[in-house]
Formats: sequence, structure tokens, C-alpha cells
Amino acid sequence: DAGVIQSPRHEVTEMGQEVTLRCKPISGHDYLFWYRQTMMRGLELLIYFNNNVPIDDSGMPEDRFSAKMPNASFSTLKIQPSEPRDSAVYFCASSRLAGAPYEQYFGPGTRLTVT
Amino acid sequence: SQQGEEDPQALSIQEGENATMNCSYKTSINNLQWYRQNSGRGLVHLILIRSNEREKHSGRLRVTLDTSKKSSSLLITASRAADTASYFCATDASTDKLIFGTGTRLQVFP
Repeated sequence: DAGVIQSPRHEVTEMGQEVTLRCKPISGHDYLFWYRQTMMRGLELLIYFNNNVPIDDSGMPEDRFSAKMPNASFSTLKIQPSEPRDSAVYFCASSRLAGAPYEQYFGPGTRLTVT
Repeated sequence: SQQGEEDPQALSIQEGENATMNCSYKTSINNLQWYRQNSGRGLVHLILIRSNEREKHSGRLRVTLDTSKKSSSLLITASRAADTASYFCATDASTDKLIFGTGTRLQVFP
């Protein structure tokens, strides 16, 4: 398996622009997680899905952020409009099952810079 | 909010030495996991320890868990330059999500 795939790997955009980050989880995994990592705040869970359904979006910072999972093999995280404080590395991760010990598989991340 | 706090924040050692990192957490857990993150990469799972276990080994890794103190430690023996990375503990206090700690940055000098 190719692992979790994220695109783009790097994104530089101007404040006010819309940004869309993409993720393809590992085939057969039931859960998909979106994280944000910054030096100041560390690794934060933004939202996660189970079987394509959003379960917990309490970590989404504000209404400018939205996430979708239209099918089991694809998810997007959208920021509209983007702001400089959104600059961070965004990770997608997937895992197999809940209710049992599981490990999360992380993608390589998307480094977002908003100028 | 972050569940785990790693200590120390940064650690520098020579190759061949042992590295010990500690993690403290706040609430009861089912399991605790350790992950490694190389610079510019995603996190990689290292080892999982269940709440009813006290110690676990995997190669050069040794993890201990003390639920009464809400703490865990990760020991890397005979460290190598390739072990240079950040190390995170993660706990699953509730539902299906993991809460990651703040991380320890380990530098191993050849």
C-alpha cells in the first residue's frame, strides 16, 4: 500500500484566498483524521471521520475551516478565506478500527504558508 | 487541549548512549502510544502499551506505564544518529481519537 497520500505537499497563498488540502487514506481504513501542527500549539486534532461521517469537529478553529469526506478514499480540508495565522503543517491520518487498540498512519503533511 | 506533556522538551546525547523520555497525562486512559516524527515528515507509530500493562519492549525500545502516576517513559537503548527525531506520546482517553503530547526533540550526535 502507498500509505496515506496528501496533496499538495507545499502551498503558498495570499491572505483571503481559498485553500484546499487533499487526502487519500489507506484503503480499508475506517477512520480519517485531520491535524494541524505548529511550533506554538503542537499537534492539534481538527476533525475526524468514521466511515465518511464527521464524528467530532470540535477542534476546527472557526467557520473558515470545513472538511468533507465524499467517499472512503478521499477527503478535503478547506480554508476560506485563509489568514496568515493558518500557516502550519496539516496532516491527514487514517486508522482501521475503533474500540480496539489501533495505530494511526500519517501522511507526509501539507506545509501551508499564508502571506 | 493537550493531554500529554513530554519531558524533557529537548535532549542531546552521543551515539551509543541511552535516551529516556517521559510523558505525563491528565485523565484515565485505555492505551498509550509513542510516535516518532523525523524532520519534515509525518508521525510514525512506534509502540502501544495497554493500561493493564506495565512494561513493553520492541527492539531497542522499552516503554513503561504507571497509571497511578499517570505517566509513561520511553527508553531508547544504544542510540544511533538515525534516532534523531521528535517523539510524542498519545493517549486515547475517550472515544476514538488520540490526544498527542508536546513532544521531545532528541538529537543524537555521531
